[in-house]
Amino acid sequence: EVQLVESGGGLVQPGGSLRLSCAASGFTFSSYWMSWVRQAPGKGLEWVAHINEDGGEKYYVDSVKGRFTISRDNAKNSLYLQMNSLRAEDTAVYYCARDFFPGYSYGPVFDYWGQGILVTVSS
Amino acid sequence: EIVLTQSPVTLSLSPGERATLSCRVSQSVRNDYLAWYQQKPGQAPRLLIYAISSRATGIPDRFSGSGSGTDFTLTISRLEPEDFAVYFCQQYDHSPWTFGQGTTVEIK
Repeated sequence: EVQLVESGGGLVQPGGSLRLSCAASGFTFSSYWMSWVRQAPGKGLEWVAHINEDGGEKYYVDSVKGRFTISRDNAKNSLYLQMNSLRAEDTAVYYCARDFFPGYSYGPVFDYWGQGILVTVSS
Repeated sequence: EIVLTQSPVTLSLSPGERATLSCRVSQSVRNDYLAWYQQKPGQAPRLLIYAISSRATGIPDRFSGSGSGTDFTLTISRLEPEDFAVYFCQQYDHSPWTFGQGTTVEIK
C-alpha cells in the first residue's frame, strides 16, 4: 500500500524557516517524480514544486522560487521542502504527492497524496 | 499561467440525482491533459479522472469526464452519499500545473 506521511509543520514567524519531510513507503520511491502541493485555509490547491527521480531536475511555482528548495534522499525514501523567508501567504496545508505522467504526458497528475501538514506563518 | 474556472461554485442535489460540474480553461489544453480530483473535509484530494475521461484505479463508473479544448465536464451519474464533497479540475499541459477553485457538491 502506498503511504506518504508528512512531518515538520508548525507555527513560524514571518521571515522564518521550516523544513518539511515526507516519508514514502509501499512503492519504489526512486522511480517516481514527487511534488509538494499546498492548500491555504478554505482555498483551492496550488502546486508548489516537483523533483525528478534522481533529484537532478527541480521546478517551482514562481511565488516560491528563490525561497523554497525541494530535495530528496532515495536511500531514506524521503522527500523534503526547505522553506525560507516565509510569508503570511505561505500559510497552508502542505501535501506530499506522487507524480503520475499518463501516456508520457508533459506534466503530472497526482495519484497518491499524504494526509497533509499545516504550516502557519504568523507573528 | 493557465487559469481554470469551475462552475457552479456550489451544487445542491439529492442522492440519486445526476451531477454535472464544469471546468473552463483560459487557453486550449493539448493532448487531453485535464484531470479531476475529489476532496472530502479533512482529507487529501483523491485522483478521479485523468486524460479528460480515464478513470483512476478504483474509481466507480458513475464518474465520467468529457470535453475538449477549453471546456470540460465531470459527471456523476447517480449521486451516492459518499460523493458529497469538493471537486477540483487540474491542467497538466503548461507549467505551473494549476487547479480550479473547486465545486462543492452538497446535499440538498
